[in-house]
Amino acid sequence: QKEVEQNSGPLSVPEGAIASLNCTYSDRGSQSFFWYRQYSGKSPELIMSIYSNGDKEDGRFTAQLNKASQYVSLLIRDSQPSDSATYLCAVNSPPAAGNKLTFGGGTRVLVKP
Amino acid sequence: NAGVMQNPRHLVRRRGQEARLRCSPMKGHSHVYWYRQLPEEGLKFMVYLQKENIIDESGMPKERFSAEFPKEGPSILRIQQVVRGDSAAYFCASSPTGNEAFFGQGTRLTVV
Repeated sequence: QKEVEQNSGPLSVPEGAIASLNCTYSDRGSQSFFWYRQYSGKSPELIMSIYSNGDKEDGRFTAQLNKASQYVSLLIRDSQPSDSATYLCAVNSPPAAGNKLTFGGGTRVLVKP
Repeated sequence: NAGVMQNPRHLVRRRGQEARLRCSPMKGHSHVYWYRQLPEEGLKFMVYLQKENIIDESGMPKERFSAEFPKEGPSILRIQQVVRGDSAAYFCASSPTGNEAFFGQGTRLTVV
């Protein structure tokens, strides 16, 4: 079982719609969770971090965390063509396990005008 | 505050040569991660370092690869006797606490 799993996509979304991305992780002791956006040929950019159960909103982005079910999700509201990118879920292992930041394989999102 | 600086941005090496990749973390950041990414693939963890210490090197190949983060100066990822399969983008990320990490622009290594 992979440590962090994401659907590779592509996730095709009409402009203006909501894009919903999911991520599951295997280490129940993980405490910190992140979403990165990576445009083709560029480096990953941190867009959201979440540490406690529930929702966290930042502009058009909402991160949701459910530690009991070991999943974290990202919603992108009012999707724009400029949101077309690969979205990477990252999970920090607990300090006792070395604090390693592990990434999922990424979900490619394509927003169509 | 400058971001994470990686150099060179592009590096071409012949098979058998050494590749040395540098990463200067953001000011105040003492945690450094190195990742490798092949085209159309995800980020593969290589090594996690703090100043003068290797914390986790479980993603590093056993041979030819080494990393360091000295007390002064940038973190260095060294690949000895490069082979074509080492061609990839190598990303460095830094963090002040070991949580949120910020990436540099990467070094694209091409082995010919």
